[in-house]
Amino acid sequence: RKEVEQDPGPFNVPEGATVAFNCTYSNSASQSFFWYRQDCRKEPKLLMSVYSSGNEDGRFTAQLNRASQYISLLIRDSKLSDSATYLCAVNSDNNNDMRFGAGTRLTVKP
Amino acid sequence: EPEVTQTPSHQVTQMGQEVILRCVPISNHLYFYWYRQILGQKVEFLVSFYNNEISEKSEIFDDQFSVERPDGSNFTLKIRSTKLEDSAMYFCAREQVPNTEAFFGQGTRLTVV
Repeated sequence: RKEVEQDPGPFNVPEGATVAFNCTYSNSASQSFFWYRQDCRKEPKLLMSVYSSGNEDGRFTAQLNRASQYISLLIRDSKLSDSATYLCAVNSDNNNDMRFGAGTRLTVKP
Repeated sequence: EPEVTQTPSHQVTQMGQEVILRCVPISNHLYFYWYRQILGQKVEFLVSFYNNEISEKSEIFDDQFSVERPDGSNFTLKIRSTKLEDSAMYFCAREQVPNTEAFFGQGTRLTVV
């Protein structure tokens, strides 16, 4: 089983749509969770951390379900500029090594 | 948050040659990482470095790889004898506190021919 798994997509949605991504992780000792955004041939950029209580930043909402070992990202009112690959990343307190999913590609169309 | 600076942005090297990739992080940060991303594939952890020592390394980080911070500022990744399959983007990252958000440099594209 892969450490961190994501639906690769692609997700093609119209502007204004709501889109949700899920990510599952295998290590139950994982403690830190993140969503990154990566544009083509660029570095990953932190989008948001994911907290146990769930957190929201503008149009973006992240949630964590420890029992089922998954995290989610919801994007509301999607913009053309949201087109990118979204990476989930998971870290455990025992190991200083963050593991990434393969990413979910999103294309927002006019 | 300011990002780390990586040099060179693109390196082309012949198979079997040694390459050194450089990362210049914020000087008061202690936690550094190297990741690689083969074209079209996921970001893969290579090694973490704390207090001038390797903290963790992945199965990818074999004997042909080494890291050091020789002068307290530059953080380097050396690949001793490059192979074609080493062609990838190599990202340096830093954290202020371990196991928190990592901030990436813009990457070095390594092409082995």
